[in-house]
Amino acid sequence: DARVTQTPRHKVTEMGQEVTMRCQPILGHNTVFWYRQTMMQGLELLAYFRNRAPLDDSGMPKDRFSAEMPDATLATLKIQPSEPRDSAVYFCASGNSNTGELFFGEGSRLTVL
Amino acid sequence: AQTVTQSQPEMSVQEAETVTLSCTYDTSENNYYLFWYKQPPSRQMILVIRQEAYKQQNATENRFSVNFQKAAKSFSLKISDSQLGDTAMYFCAFMKLFGGSQGNLIFGKGTKLSVKP
Repeated sequence: DARVTQTPRHKVTEMGQEVTMRCQPILGHNTVFWYRQTMMQGLELLAYFRNRAPLDDSGMPKDRFSAEMPDATLATLKIQPSEPRDSAVYFCASGNSNTGELFFGEGSRLTVL
Repeated sequence: AQTVTQSQPEMSVQEAETVTLSCTYDTSENNYYLFWYKQPPSRQMILVIRQEAYKQQNATENRFSVNFQKAAKSFSLKISDSQLGDTAMYFCAFMKLFGGSQGNLIFGKGTKLSVKP
């Protein structure tokens, strides 16, 4: 059963620490998205890759956030330094650019103290 | 910019009854996709149903169906024979096609649906 895998599922860290979240997209998918979900803002796009190339990261705070796809099986989202306002659930989703469907991972819940 | 509006923050329905969740969107695009996603307390985002804008026929998936009104930019979700397992947050989402291919999803704020026994 193909699925998007995200690690860690939960992360508690202190302000100022570096946080790295990882995502393994579904094999064969060529698009990867990072979304952030908070009560106040809902679901927001942070970054979007197609064929490992970044297409849109306009929603991502560039001073502390970075997103990469080192290879087709791994996407990473890094926060350095983390701040309490980064506390949220971070979702990775993958899809095929020729279809309309996106498949979501189970999310990484980040708490920054 | 595209926007998606869900005007019902919360709804409830009795088990076995039918409920309709509303969604409107704003876009100048002619070709796009629309989706309903379900997020239960487990927080997993689950695709419920998808509609291509170029298709006039409303999409259906078992107990779930949509009423897609392109001119009115309306995309409501009807759940028939509601089940306790349908209790969840429901998100309407719009996908603009990027270069003719899959683009970003823009989500509404969600409707919290409670199915009561």
